Amino acid sequence: AAGVIQSPRHLIKEKRETATLKCYPIPRHDTVYWYQQGPGQDPQFLISFYEKMQSDKGSIPDRFSAQQFSDYHSELNMSSLELGDSALYFCASSLWGLAGGDPNTGELFFGEGSRLTVL
Amino acid sequence: AQSVTQLGSHVSVSEGALVLLRCNYSSSVPPYLFWYVQYPNQGLQLLLKYTSAATLVKGINGFEAEFKKSETSFHLTKPSAHMSDAAEYFCAVSEGADGLTFGKGTHLIIQP
Repeated sequence: AAGVIQSPRHLIKEKRETATLKCYPIPRHDTVYWYQQGPGQDPQFLISFYEKMQSDKGSIPDRFSAQQFSDYHSELNMSSLELGDSALYFCASSLWGLAGGDPNTGELFFGEGSRLTVL
Repeated sequence: AQSVTQLGSHVSVSEGALVLLRCNYSSSVPPYLFWYVQYPNQGLQLLLKYTSAATLVKGINGFEAEFKKSETSFHLTKPSAHMSDAAEYFCAVSEGADGLTFGKGTHLIIQP
């Protein structure tokens, strides 16, 4: 079965540079989430989109922005990178709309993550 | 807001011994609860989930968890640990369309 696809898997940037991460959700999933996991930390919720509209915001810095496109893929844009932005960034998707026919249990399906290293 | 607390950032057991990873939740509504496993340098994989059906939930790799409302707990167990079980385990509660809130994680160490 198709899973959540993230790219790139690894990315190395210098301080103050810009990075863009991409996420392709499971087909027919209508909700995308972005999480940040620092070294030895639990995943922290950044932002989510439902049907291409931002649905909730977590601890996302103002230097970061994200959007979901008409084909449901999402991009996380990070500018003025800092050393502390080095982390594993996960994208997850789920199905909340009625199109699926089954009640949603809140399960998120995670991608393998994109590891960002800021030097 | 809902939250989960995982007791013990590190748990060490011998191979073949019982694994018990503790998770307590805080929720004002009946929760959906999850356990995810993360192997080194990999993504999050769902082990099992509680969705208000059976209180004893069986997952992959021989893991199971029991939802106890009276104790607000959802502890993860496995009768006999295997070396391949060494990983980070996260308990999580559903925030609905706002995603999941994770516990701090428990690092499971398997001693040979």
